[in-house]
Amino acid sequence: KQEVTQIPAALSVPEGENLVLNCSFTDSAIYNLQWFRQDPGKGLTSLLLIQSSQREQTSGRLNASLDKSSGRSTLYIAASQPGDSATYLCAVYGGATNKLIFGTGTLLAVQP
Amino acid sequence: AAGVIQSPRHLIKEKRETATLKCYPIPRHDTVYWYQQGPGQDPQFLISFYEKMQSDKGSIPDRFSAQQFSDYHSELNMSSLELGDSALYFCASSLGQGRDNQPQHFGDGTRLSIL
Repeated sequence: KQEVTQIPAALSVPEGENLVLNCSFTDSAIYNLQWFRQDPGKGLTSLLLIQSSQREQTSGRLNASLDKSSGRSTLYIAASQPGDSATYLCAVYGGATNKLIFGTGTLLAVQP
Repeated sequence: AAGVIQSPRHLIKEKRETATLKCYPIPRHDTVYWYQQGPGQDPQFLISFYEKMQSDKGSIPDRFSAQQFSDYHSELNMSSLELGDSALYFCASSLGQGRDNQPQHFGDGTRLSIL
């Protein structure tokens, strides 16, 4: 059964700091991995999708990497801003179940 | 750019009542997914449709049913509502299925509260 874990569960950093969020998954037979952000009581905003054949994807200040063989992904946020404060979720598609399975998220607070 | 539209945004029901949630995918998207997110929980996959046919099924109770219509919008029908059904229900859409490596785009959700 695919299990997705995110560490840390919560993170507080001062504005301007670079930070890394971690995601690990137990079944490496995935099609892709997607990173989302969720603001309180809101929907999920898709940030980046990495295909299983890719090593990384970049969008603006965000860079996501994927090491499929070790079952790990990281989301790097450069020069963090208070507006980046949200819960960040990673989700994997594929493996034994053909579904998007989410991690429990990292709650990020960027202090001004 | 057009996004996934869900209605209603909020819904209050009593136990044993029925509810219908609606989802309008991004234009040209042919795949719709439904998720349930309980308080403090991560989203759990319920069911998906591709080209109006059910494609995958997750932890959807037998009391729930869903379908995708000819215009690709989808409805989630929930009957005999229970207190534990209180949650945020998300719809997502994509062009092609997950194995086609197309991202899923989520709506803002319907918050269902059961009294």
